[in-house]
Amino acid sequence: QQQVKQSPQSLIVQKGGISIINCAYENTAFDYFPWYQQFPGKGPALLIAIRPDVSEKKEGRFTISFNKSAKQFSLHIMDSQPGDSATYFCAASSGSRLTFGEGTQLTVNP
Amino acid sequence: GAVVSQHPSWVICKSGTSVKIECRSLDFQATTMFWYRQFPKQSLMLMATSNEGSKATYEQGVEKDKFLINHASLTLSTLTVTSAHPEDSSFYICSAGRDTGPNQPQHFGDGTRLSIL
Repeated sequence: QQQVKQSPQSLIVQKGGISIINCAYENTAFDYFPWYQQFPGKGPALLIAIRPDVSEKKEGRFTISFNKSAKQFSLHIMDSQPGDSATYFCAASSGSRLTFGEGTQLTVNP
Repeated sequence: GAVVSQHPSWVICKSGTSVKIECRSLDFQATTMFWYRQFPKQSLMLMATSNEGSKATYEQGVEKDKFLINHASLTLSTLTVTSAHPEDSSFYICSAGRDTGPNQPQHFGDGTRLSIL
């Protein structure tokens, strides 16, 4: 019940395209849903986060869509750029303990 | 923004050696820090929660005598891998939250690559 399922495992998009990564959870006690970006050899960096009282949050080119009834949330990267190529992790928490998804390796081709 | 610093960034040592990794919050005080382990192309797995001034809380399956955690101040937590063996080779990452309470953003260090020969 603590798992967070993430898909796809890998994603290739063309520059300027939209990247979409999906996550699903089971534990209804989760009430905080961040997304992290990780480059090789580096720690994860917080991108954007959402709480379940809103259905969408946008920051620049990054948007989280949240569906509480379906227990799903997704990250949309608009106008994807080669510099966005990285591994993306969704996560969920109740309290301070984060549970991470399996990760999505995004490649944006020039 | 909040900065979490880890040291060293990379260590190579012989089997049987003990290795200490430091995690510092540079511009805020952290009563709680977290230690994760990440294998290549895998997700982050929480190893333990480090609490300032008290014992760490370890996740199921993590050997507390193998991975010693000390959180002696509000800005420093250390992870010591005792008598390290090749299977302990991994990427170790710490995190801390600037604010107390639940659901606060976690800020991660840049990790320590540990290679045991």
